[in-house]
Amino acid sequence: KNEVEQSPQNLTAQEGEFITINCSYSVGISALHWLQQHPGGGIVSLFMLSSGKKKHGRLIATINIQEKHSSLHITASHPRDSAVYICAVEAGSQGNLIFGKGTKLSVKP
Amino acid sequence: ETGVTQSPTHLIKTRGQQVTLRCSSQSGHNTVSWYQQALGQGPQFIFQYYREEENGRGNFPPRFSGLQFPNYSSELNVNALELDDSALYLCASSSSLATNYGYTFGSGTRLTVV
Repeated sequence: KNEVEQSPQNLTAQEGEFITINCSYSVGISALHWLQQHPGGGIVSLFMLSSGKKKHGRLIATINIQEKHSSLHITASHPRDSAVYICAVEAGSQGNLIFGKGTKLSVKP
Repeated sequence: ETGVTQSPTHLIKTRGQQVTLRCSSQSGHNTVSWYQQALGQGPQFIFQYYREEENGRGNFPPRFSGLQFPNYSSELNVNALELDDSALYLCASSSSLATNYGYTFGSGTRLTVV
C-alpha cells in the first residue's frame, strides 16, 4: 500500500461542475501539499497545509490531521483546470516529499 | 524573483551512457531536491542537497549522484544508464530544511534511454 493514496485516479467533469479530489496518507506528516501538473510536466504548487482550510480563487483545500485525509475542491470548474492534481506529504526530518500518483482531471466545455 | 530552471528539457541517451542534468534554484533558496517521475506515476525522491551537502537519499542506487554548487544550483548525474531510467526528472528548490516551507518546481527534464 502506498503511503499516499489519491482518489479518483481519473475524473471527467462538465464545465461548471464542483469537483472534489481526495487524498489519504498513512504516515505522520508535518505538511501536505496540493500540486498541479500540466502535460508538459511542470509542477505548480497550489497549497501547503498543516491544518484547517485554505482558499485561493476557485480552489479550496482542507485537511483533517486526525483522520489523515485531505481534499481539494474546485468550484465552477473550467476546461483550463484540466491537469493532473497531485497530493504530496512532508513526512521526514529531511523535508522531502512523498507523492501520490495523481488524479487526472479533464473538464469538458 | 527567478523560478527554477532545468536543462536540458529533453534528452535521448543510449543504454550504458552517462548523463548530467542541471537545475538552477530559485533566488533565496538553499535546498534542492531531485525526483524521478515514471510515466503515469507520482514523483519518487532521489536525493536532497542543502548548502552543498547531500542531506537525504531515497531508494536509488549509487550510480545516481549529485552536486550542489555555492550558488545553490545543482546537478544530477546518472551513470551506466538503463532503459528503466527513462523518466521525467524534476528538481524542486526550497528555502529551508525546516518543514512548512513551500517548494518551487522546475519544468523537468524528460530523459529517454534507448
